[in-house]
Amino acid sequence: AQSVSQHNHHVILSEAASLELGCNYSYGGTVNLFWYVQYPGQHLQLLLKYFSGDPLVKGIKGFEAEFIKSKFSFNLRKPSVQWSDTAEYFCAVNSLSWGSQGNLIFGKGTKLSVKP
Amino acid sequence: DAGVTQSPTHLIKTRGQQVTLRCSPKSGHDTVSWYQQALGQGPQFIFQYYEEEERQRGNFPDRFSGHQFPNYSSELNVNALLLGDSALYLCASSLDRGAHSPLHFGNGTRLTVT
Repeated sequence: AQSVSQHNHHVILSEAASLELGCNYSYGGTVNLFWYVQYPGQHLQLLLKYFSGDPLVKGIKGFEAEFIKSKFSFNLRKPSVQWSDTAEYFCAVNSLSWGSQGNLIFGKGTKLSVKP
Repeated sequence: DAGVTQSPTHLIKTRGQQVTLRCSPKSGHDTVSWYQQALGQGPQFIFQYYEEEERQRGNFPDRFSGHQFPNYSSELNVNALLLGDSALYLCASSLDRGAHSPLHFGNGTRLTVT
Protein backbone atom coordinates (compact mmCIF):
# COMPACT_ATOMS: atom_id res chain seq x y z
CA ALA A 1 0.00 0.00 0.00
CA GLN A 2 1.08 3.52 -0.68
CA SER A 3 2.36 5.48 2.29
CA VAL A 4 3.90 8.78 3.29
CA SER A 5 6.61 9.08 5.93
CA GLN A 6 7.46 12.25 7.78
CA HIS A 7 10.70 11.81 9.62
CA ASN A 8 10.29 14.25 12.46
CA HIS A 9 7.43 14.18 14.93
CA HIS A 10 8.29 17.45 16.66
CA VAL A 11 10.82 20.09 15.62
CA ILE A 12 11.77 22.99 17.87
CA LEU A 13 13.61 25.95 16.37
CA SER A 14 14.49 29.47 17.34
CA GLU A 15 13.33 32.36 15.21
CA ALA A 16 15.51 32.99 12.14
CA ALA A 17 16.72 29.38 12.06
CA SER A 18 16.41 27.46 8.82
CA LEU A 19 13.84 24.71 8.47
CA GLU A 20 13.77 21.47 6.57
CA LEU A 21 11.03 18.90 7.12
CA GLY A 22 11.44 15.53 5.50
CA CYS A 23 8.80 13.68 3.52
CA ASN A 24 9.12 10.39 1.65
CA TYR A 25 6.43 8.50 -0.22
CA SER A 26 6.31 4.90 -1.31
CA TYR A 27 4.52 4.94 -4.68
CA GLY A 28 6.68 4.40 -7.77
CA GLY A 29 4.39 5.92 -10.38
CA THR A 30 3.58 9.51 -11.27
CA VAL A 31 2.47 11.44 -8.21
CA ASN A 32 1.11 14.80 -7.15
CA LEU A 33 2.65 16.09 -3.94
CA PHE A 34 1.36 18.53 -1.36
CA TRP A 35 2.24 20.18 1.89
CA TYR A 36 -0.59 21.29 4.13
CA VAL A 37 -0.28 23.37 7.28
CA GLN A 38 -2.54 23.56 10.30
CA TYR A 39 -2.03 26.61 12.51
CA PRO A 40 -3.27 26.30 16.11
CA GLY A 41 -7.06 26.40 16.17
CA GLN A 42 -7.37 26.64 12.40
CA HIS A 43 -8.23 24.31 9.55
CA LEU A 44 -5.79 22.56 7.25
CA GLN A 45 -4.55 24.88 4.52
CA LEU A 46 -2.61 24.18 1.37
CA LEU A 47 0.96 25.44 1.62
CA LEU A 48 2.24 24.33 -1.75
CA LYS A 49 1.85 21.65 -4.38
CA TYR A 50 3.79 19.89 -7.10
CA PHE A 51 2.19 18.38 -10.17
CA SER A 52 4.88 18.49 -12.83
CA GLY A 53 7.67 20.66 -14.24
CA ASP A 54 10.22 22.49 -12.10
CA PRO A 55 10.89 20.22 -9.11
CA LEU A 56 11.45 23.25 -6.88
CA VAL A 57 8.08 24.71 -5.98
CA LYS A 58 7.38 27.83 -4.02
CA GLY A 59 4.40 28.25 -1.75
CA ILE A 60 2.93 30.82 0.54
CA LYS A 61 4.77 32.57 3.38
CA GLY A 62 8.24 31.90 1.97
CA PHE A 63 8.02 28.11 2.01
CA GLU A 64 9.43 25.98 -0.78
CA ALA A 65 9.74 22.26 -1.44
CA GLU A 66 11.92 20.18 -3.70
CA PHE A 67 10.73 17.03 -5.44
CA ILE A 68 13.53 14.49 -5.87
CA LYS A 69 12.06 11.60 -7.83
CA SER A 70 15.03 9.29 -7.37
CA LYS A 71 14.70 9.61 -3.62
CA PHE A 72 10.88 9.58 -3.52
CA SER A 73 11.16 12.74 -1.44
CA PHE A 74 9.41 16.08 -1.20
CA ASN A 75 11.12 18.00 1.59
CA LEU A 76 9.77 21.31 2.84
CA ARG A 77 12.17 24.20 3.47
CA LYS A 78 12.18 27.74 4.73
CA PRO A 79 15.37 29.80 5.09
CA SER A 80 14.31 31.71 8.19
CA VAL A 81 11.36 30.72 10.37
CA GLN A 82 9.18 33.07 12.36
CA TRP A 83 7.20 32.50 15.54
CA SER A 84 4.05 32.62 13.41
CA ASP A 85 5.20 29.46 11.58
CA THR A 86 4.41 27.44 14.69
CA ALA A 87 1.98 24.84 13.35
CA GLU A 88 1.62 21.23 12.31
CA TYR A 89 2.79 20.38 8.81
CA PHE A 90 1.45 17.49 6.76
CA CYS A 91 2.89 16.01 3.60
CA ALA A 92 0.39 14.34 1.26
CA VAL A 93 0.44 12.51 -2.05
CA ASN A 94 -1.98 11.29 -4.66
CA SER A 95 -1.72 9.81 -8.09
CA LEU A 96 -3.89 9.99 -11.17
CA SER A 97 -3.90 6.21 -11.13
CA TRP A 98 -5.91 6.41 -7.91
CA GLY A 99 -8.43 8.82 -9.33
CA SER A 100 -9.18 12.31 -8.15
CA GLN A 101 -7.36 14.56 -5.78
CA GLY A 102 -9.90 13.66 -3.14
CA ASN A 103 -7.99 10.51 -2.35
CA LEU A 104 -4.97 12.00 -0.62
CA ILE A 105 -2.61 9.94 1.50
CA PHE A 106 -1.21 11.98 4.38
CA GLY A 107 1.83 11.55 6.54
CA LYS A 108 1.48 11.64 10.31
CA GLY A 109 2.52 15.26 10.47
CA THR A 110 5.39 17.23 11.99
CA LYS A 111 4.72 19.67 14.76
CA LEU A 112 6.91 22.76 14.46
CA SER A 113 7.45 24.97 17.51
CA VAL A 114 9.32 28.23 16.93
CA LYS A 115 10.71 29.95 20.03
CA PRO A 116 10.64 33.76 19.90
CA ASP B 1 -16.97 33.79 0.43
CA ALA B 2 -17.90 31.04 2.89
CA GLY B 3 -15.34 28.37 3.50
CA VAL B 4 -16.13 24.78 4.42
CA THR B 5 -18.40 24.58 7.43
CA GLN B 6 -18.94 21.51 9.57
CA SER B 7 -21.41 20.77 12.33
CA PRO B 8 -21.43 20.03 15.12
CA THR B 9 -17.97 20.99 16.35
CA HIS B 10 -17.97 18.45 19.15
CA LEU B 11 -20.02 15.35 19.81
CA ILE B 12 -20.05 12.70 22.51
CA LYS B 13 -21.72 9.37 21.80
CA THR B 14 -21.95 6.00 23.47
CA ARG B 15 -20.62 2.80 21.95
CA GLY B 16 -23.22 1.20 19.68
CA GLN B 17 -24.99 4.44 18.85
CA GLN B 18 -25.22 6.10 15.46
CA VAL B 19 -23.97 9.56 14.51
CA THR B 20 -24.48 11.99 11.64
CA LEU B 21 -21.98 14.72 10.79
CA ARG B 22 -22.71 17.51 8.37
CA CYS B 23 -20.67 19.54 5.92
CA SER B 24 -21.34 22.52 3.68
CA PRO B 25 -18.70 22.93 0.98
CA LYS B 26 -16.99 26.14 0.01
CA SER B 27 -19.11 28.26 -2.27
CA GLY B 28 -18.75 27.07 -5.87
CA HIS B 29 -17.38 23.64 -4.97
CA ASP B 30 -19.23 20.49 -6.01
CA THR B 31 -17.09 17.69 -4.58
CA VAL B 32 -16.93 16.67 -0.93
CA SER B 33 -14.43 14.30 0.66
CA TRP B 34 -14.40 13.04 4.22
CA TYR B 35 -11.33 12.21 6.28
CA GLN B 36 -10.80 10.71 9.72
CA GLN B 37 -7.92 12.03 11.80
CA ALA B 38 -7.08 9.99 14.87
CA LEU B 39 -4.96 11.54 17.59
CA GLY B 40 -1.34 11.84 16.51
CA GLN B 41 -2.08 10.69 12.97
CA GLY B 42 -2.57 12.35 9.63
CA PRO B 43 -6.00 12.49 8.01
CA GLN B 44 -7.17 9.22 6.47
CA PHE B 45 -9.48 9.23 3.44
CA ILE B 46 -12.96 7.82 4.04
CA PHE B 47 -14.85 8.58 0.82
CA GLN B 48 -15.66 11.20 -1.77
CA TYR B 49 -18.99 12.39 -3.11
CA TYR B 50 -19.65 14.00 -6.46
CA GLU B 51 -22.97 14.45 -8.24
CA GLU B 52 -24.67 12.86 -5.24
CA GLU B 53 -22.82 9.58 -5.62
CA GLU B 54 -19.96 7.99 -3.76
CA ARG B 55 -17.09 8.06 -6.24
CA GLN B 56 -14.16 6.74 -4.24
CA ARG B 57 -13.81 4.98 -0.94
CA GLY B 58 -10.92 4.40 1.40
CA ASN B 59 -10.36 1.42 3.66
CA PHE B 60 -13.32 1.94 5.97
CA PRO B 61 -16.09 -0.53 6.86
CA ASP B 62 -19.67 -0.25 5.66
CA ARG B 63 -20.61 1.24 9.03
CA PHE B 64 -19.37 4.46 7.47
CA SER B 65 -21.79 5.82 4.91
CA GLY B 66 -22.56 9.16 3.41
CA HIS B 67 -24.80 11.25 1.32
CA GLN B 68 -24.56 14.31 -0.87
CA PHE B 69 -27.51 16.59 -1.46
CA PRO B 70 -28.40 18.58 -4.59
CA ASN B 71 -26.94 21.73 -3.00
CA TYR B 72 -23.61 19.83 -2.68
CA SER B 73 -23.71 19.63 1.11
CA SER B 74 -22.90 16.26 2.57
CA GLU B 75 -23.46 14.02 5.57
CA LEU B 76 -21.27 11.35 7.09
CA ASN B 77 -23.06 8.62 9.02
CA VAL B 78 -21.40 6.13 11.30
CA ASN B 79 -23.41 3.21 12.69
CA ALA B 80 -22.67 0.91 15.62
CA LEU B 81 -20.03 3.24 17.01
CA LEU B 82 -16.85 1.73 18.42
CA LEU B 83 -14.42 3.31 20.84
CA GLY B 84 -11.91 3.38 17.99
CA ASP B 85 -14.16 5.70 16.00
CA SER B 86 -13.19 8.53 18.34
CA ALA B 87 -11.39 11.02 16.11
CA LEU B 88 -11.56 14.35 14.35
CA TYR B 89 -13.66 14.06 11.20
CA LEU B 90 -12.68 16.45 8.47
CA CYS B 91 -14.67 17.50 5.46
CA ALA B 92 -12.89 18.84 2.41
CA SER B 93 -14.40 20.34 -0.70
CA SER B 94 -13.02 20.86 -4.16
CA LEU B 95 -14.14 21.66 -7.66
CA ASP B 96 -15.01 19.09 -10.26
CA ARG B 97 -13.06 16.12 -8.75
CA GLY B 98 -10.05 17.31 -10.66
CA ALA B 99 -6.73 15.91 -9.53
CA HIS B 100 -5.36 19.42 -9.58
CA SER B 101 -8.21 21.08 -7.73
CA PRO B 102 -7.02 22.12 -4.28
CA LEU B 103 -8.83 20.67 -1.28
CA HIS B 104 -10.34 23.15 1.17
CA PHE B 105 -10.83 21.74 4.65
CA GLY B 106 -13.29 22.56 7.38
CA ASN B 107 -12.39 22.80 11.05
CA GLY B 108 -13.69 19.31 11.70
CA THR B 109 -16.05 17.58 14.10
CA ARG B 110 -14.47 16.08 17.19
CA LEU B 111 -16.26 12.79 17.93
CA THR B 112 -15.75 11.09 21.26
CA VAL B 113 -17.17 7.60 21.77
CA THR B 114 -17.48 6.43 25.37
